[in-house]
Amino acid sequence: EAQVTQNPRYLITVTGKKLTVTCSQNMNHEYMSWYRQDPGLGLRQIYYSMNVEVTDKGDVPEGYKVSRKEKRNFPLILESPSPNQTSLYFCASSLGAVYNEQFFGPGTRLTVL
Amino acid sequence: QKEVEQDPGPLSVPEGAIVSLNCTYSNSAFQYFMWYRQYSRKGPELLMYTYSSGNKEDGRFTAQVDKSSKYISLFIRDSQPSDSATYLCAMSVGDDKIIFGKGTRLHILP
Repeated sequence: EAQVTQNPRYLITVTGKKLTVTCSQNMNHEYMSWYRQDPGLGLRQIYYSMNVEVTDKGDVPEGYKVSRKEKRNFPLILESPSPNQTSLYFCASSLGAVYNEQFFGPGTRLTVL
Repeated sequence: QKEVEQDPGPLSVPEGAIVSLNCTYSNSAFQYFMWYRQYSRKGPELLMYTYSSGNKEDGRFTAQVDKSSKYISLFIRDSQPSDSATYLCAMSVGDDKIIFGKGTRLHILP
């Protein structure tokens, strides 16, 4: 089954404790992206990757890191999480550029205390 | 002025009605216009995609883009309770960045 998976689905952590949210897709897509979704602010792009070893900042990259060492995986790293990073995070992938159909993962709900 | 404006709703309409959802935008460089649907506790899924101006129809859904007015619309005909969801407009200039509207919550009343 073609899908984008994210882990963990739910995470409660404390300020400053490094964490990684994993994202994996099995569709051989070049393009992958991370978003955060907040009430009143909508869905905002954090980082995206056009292919292996090629990443760039979206609208809200501060406090996040990403890497793309393999085509299928695109982890999101929070080196020192803060409460304002409490959010619902989505990973997405598409065959080409962002205006093609993006397939979204199920989401990761992160709470930073 | 925000780059993409979308009324958050909620919008409640009776089953069978025609639904009109809209977004306005300020960046005239946007070329690609998308509508995503998001059910509660799920990731968004692409409904419609339009390049530049004009109309596009897919079953009960019609997307319209008016670049002169910087205004896009999604129409849903013969609305069903299963159409109850949040609808997100999205736009791109054609690079790898995308801007989403905040989403409109739609309730179709049986």
